[in-house]
Amino acid sequence: DAGVIQSPRHEVTEMGQEVTLRCKPISGHDYLFWYRQTMMRGLELLIYFNNNVPIDDSGMPEDRFSAKMPNASFSTLKIQPSEPRDSAVYFCASSFHQRPPGTQYFGPGTRLLVL
Amino acid sequence: SQELEQSPQSLIVQEGKNLTINCTSSKTLYGLYWYKQKYGEGLIFLMMLQKGGEEKSHEKITAKLDEKKQQSSLHITASQPSHAGIYLCGAPNPANFGNEKLTFGTGTRLTIIP
Repeated sequence: DAGVIQSPRHEVTEMGQEVTLRCKPISGHDYLFWYRQTMMRGLELLIYFNNNVPIDDSGMPEDRFSAKMPNASFSTLKIQPSEPRDSAVYFCASSFHQRPPGTQYFGPGTRLLVL
Repeated sequence: SQELEQSPQSLIVQEGKNLTINCTSSKTLYGLYWYKQKYGEGLIFLMMLQKGGEEKSHEKITAKLDEKKQQSSLHITASQPSHAGIYLCGAPNPANFGNEKLTFGTGTRLTIIP
């Protein structure tokens, strides 16, 4: 089975541009998580969904960030407008409710650089 | 909010040697998860500890949970180059165990030298 798929793997953009990150969770998984990882702040949870519904978005840094999950097999994280401080690795992860909570499967990440 | 501090932050160990990584929580632990991350890749789940005093092993990696100390340790025996990477501990929200949300530690970068 394919794991969590993220695209693009790398993104370089200029400040002020819109950035869209994409994620395809593992088929059958009902939880989806978006994380951000930086050297300074480590791994931070931005938002997570259960059955396509956002459950906790308290980690979303500000209104420039938005996330959607239109169906069980696709999610997007959008940054508009992007700023240099948004440069980080963004991970998507998914899990299944019948596994112990916390057993998450991570994608390879999207490395974002905002110039 | 819960904070997880890992020590050491980085570790350089000669191949074949043993090592220990610690994860200390600012609040009571109601479970603890260990993940490993290779450079440029996502996290891989290693093991989960749910009960105080619980100990689990996977190949040459052993993890323990000490609820009283609000701490977990991860021990690697006879380290190999394949053990190199970043190890992160994660804990569920103590106010709502069973919630899928995890807080992750600061990470320990492990380097294995020949």
